[in-house]
Amino acid sequence: GAVVSQHPSWVICKSGTSVKIECRSLDFQATTMFWYRQFPKQSLMLMATSNEGSKATYEQGVEKDKFLINHASLTLSTLTVTSAHPEDSSFYICSARDSAGTEVYEQYFGPGTRLTVT
Amino acid sequence: QKEVEQDPGPLSVPEGAIVSLNCTYSNSAFQYFMWYRQYSRKGPELLMYTYSSGNKEDGRFTAQVDKSSKYISLFIRDSQPSDSATYLCAMSPKAAGNKLTFGGGTRVLVKP
Repeated sequence: GAVVSQHPSWVICKSGTSVKIECRSLDFQATTMFWYRQFPKQSLMLMATSNEGSKATYEQGVEKDKFLINHASLTLSTLTVTSAHPEDSSFYICSARDSAGTEVYEQYFGPGTRLTVT
Repeated sequence: QKEVEQDPGPLSVPEGAIVSLNCTYSNSAFQYFMWYRQYSRKGPELLMYTYSSGNKEDGRFTAQVDKSSKYISLFIRDSQPSDSATYLCAMSPKAAGNKLTFGGGTRVLVKP
């Protein structure tokens, strides 16, 4: 149980275009999902917290107009990178918190999406 | 100074050896401590969690927390080549929307 999927797993796009990444909790409901960014050989940096039915909360320094987050259902959150530039190339990982869980560790990570902007 | 410090490695050990990993932290509000394993180009996988000082054992893994020293450790006994991965520590205050603060990760290589 507790499976989180991401789609696509790898995407290449041209500079200036927008890319949408989906994060789905497959066998549990997730009121809260988190979006992380990871550069090569570096740790996960939290970008934003996504709450179902409300606006996302962005971490300091993350441009909310560039990284649009929508959490329209209890099993799906999307991250749209708008007007992508090469510096946006990174590994994007989501995690989903089990709504039925009460512990901080009851959040499960997706396999990640590798974005390459040319 | 980062809130959570972790030696990036790489840490290379022979198969069967004990792998010793650690993190230090500065935020005394951290109450929950987790260890994740991440294979290359994959998402992190939870290995261990604890929220009290002392040791916690699960199979080949032992997690150790010393809140007075703000220091946590993970030990892997009888290491296998399949344990080769990056190990991330993560921490969270008791009430912070369940946000996790990660260490930088330590890359481990277990040689057959």
